Amino acid sequence: EADIYQTPRYLVIGTGKKITLECSQTMGHDKMYWYQQDPGMELHLIHYSYGVNSTEKGDLSSESTVSRIRTEHFPLTLESARPSHTSQYLCASSGLFFPGSYEQYFGPGTRLTVT
Amino acid sequence: DAKTTQPPSMDCAEGRAANLPCNHSTISGNEYVYWYRQIHSQGPQYIIHGLKNNETNEMASLIITEDRKSSTLILPHATLRDTAVYYCIVRVGGRNYGGSQGNLIFGKGTKLSVKP
Repeated sequence: EADIYQTPRYLVIGTGKKITLECSQTMGHDKMYWYQQDPGMELHLIHYSYGVNSTEKGDLSSESTVSRIRTEHFPLTLESARPSHTSQYLCASSGLFFPGSYEQYFGPGTRLTVT
Repeated sequence: DAKTTQPPSMDCAEGRAANLPCNHSTISGNEYVYWYRQIHSQGPQYIIHGLKNNETNEMASLIITEDRKSSTLILPHATLRDTAVYYCIVRVGGRNYGGSQGNLIFGKGTKLSVKP
C-alpha cells in the first residue's frame, strides 16, 4: 500500500478564492508529481520536482504553482480559483534511481469544484 | 518518448484471460514498456514493466514481441474488480532525472470492462 496522502479529498469553493492542495508521502521519494485529470479524460502532468527546492513545469500549462521545501511535502496552490480549474488533481511520487525509479505511487486525488 | 497505440475499449468475461494489446513501433533500445491501470478515477496503479523479456508478477504477465514493436498485457483470470482503464507507456528506464525523460505520458488507454 502506497504511503502518499492528499487533502482535502473533495473541495467546493467560490471563484477568486486562494486554495492549497496538500500532498505528502512517507516513502522518502525524491521525485514528486502533480497531474490534472478532467472526468473521462487523460491525465496530464502539470508539475514535478526532483527534490527540495526543485520544481519544474509539466506538459500541460497550468496557472497553479508548487513548492518543495521538505522532501515529503509537495503542495499545489491556486492564487485565484476559477471555474476552469474544476478538475481532479492527482499527486504521485517515485524514486530517482533504479530500482525505485520504475514505479510511481499515486495518491487518492483531490476533486476540486470551483463555483 | 515513443508513442503507443491501444484499442479504446475491450470486454472480457469474468474468469477468462484478458489480453490487452499495445503497439509501440518507434520504441528505442533504452525504452521500457510500462503498464498502469486506473480504476474509476482513483490514482493510477503500477502493474508491470519490461524491456525485452517476458515478465510476470502477481498481477499480470507482459509479453513483448521479439522486435519490441508491440506487447500484450495478460490478466490470467479477470475479475469484476479488474474493470479499469489500462495504460501502456513507453519511457526510458533506470533513471528518473535529467529533464522530462523519466516522466510518464498517459494516453487514452484501453477501457477494459469485465462482465459476469
